[in-house]
Amino acid sequence: EIVMTQSPATLSVSPGDRATLSCRASQSVSSNLAWYQHKPGQAPRLLIYGASSRDTGIPARFSASGSGTEFTLTITSLLSEDFAVYYCQQYTNWPHSFGQGTKLEIQ
Amino acid sequence: QLQLQEAGPGLVKPSETLSLTCNVSGESIRDSDYYWGWIRQPPGKGLEWIGSFFHDGTTYYNPSLKSRVTISIDTSKNHFSLKLTSVTAADTAMYYCVRDGYYGSGPFDFWGQGSLVSVSS
Repeated sequence: EIVMTQSPATLSVSPGDRATLSCRASQSVSSNLAWYQHKPGQAPRLLIYGASSRDTGIPARFSASGSGTEFTLTITSLLSEDFAVYYCQQYTNWPHSFGQGTKLEIQ
Repeated sequence: QLQLQEAGPGLVKPSETLSLTCNVSGESIRDSDYYWGWIRQPPGKGLEWIGSFFHDGTTYYNPSLKSRVTISIDTSKNHFSLKLTSVTAADTAMYYCVRDGYYGSGPFDFWGQGSLVSVSS
């Protein structure tokens, strides 16, 4: 089973600033990596697939990179609506596994 | 537009079976090239994948739940179901049905709104 580890657990950033979130896989997942945004009371939303491709309608301030075992999600010019929990997830092997999440909070 | 909607009881007694259904509209599960599945989130915790299936009967389950989980499909109603047996308070969670990846290799791109299930006597 591939274990996904996200860091930090909580990230405090001011609106307008940049946030950088990390995700590490216990073994290579190639580019089979997705990022999700989850707000209270809502279903999670797919942001990124294939490690770096934005899903339909996702703003360009969301970008992602990485392959193999190290991945990064970057959000520039943070808006109030961006403060949420972010999860990475691998879909290289079954079971498809999530990281434990990074809570992005307003500083 | 693809839509998924969970349905089922919000309260289940300990040791009983949790049953949820996901009604799918906008796409035929039987003709789909995608897997379909269930994910849950216990209160205050992260997302946990429960299992996924393909319409040909191929099914994958989370090893931690495999002994208690069954996912089944009813193509005539275009819905799929989750059964989780011998539940405990640890199974209290928001349960989401999802469209899984293209032939099992892709992200969860469509989600239901979720169904909150509490396990309590």
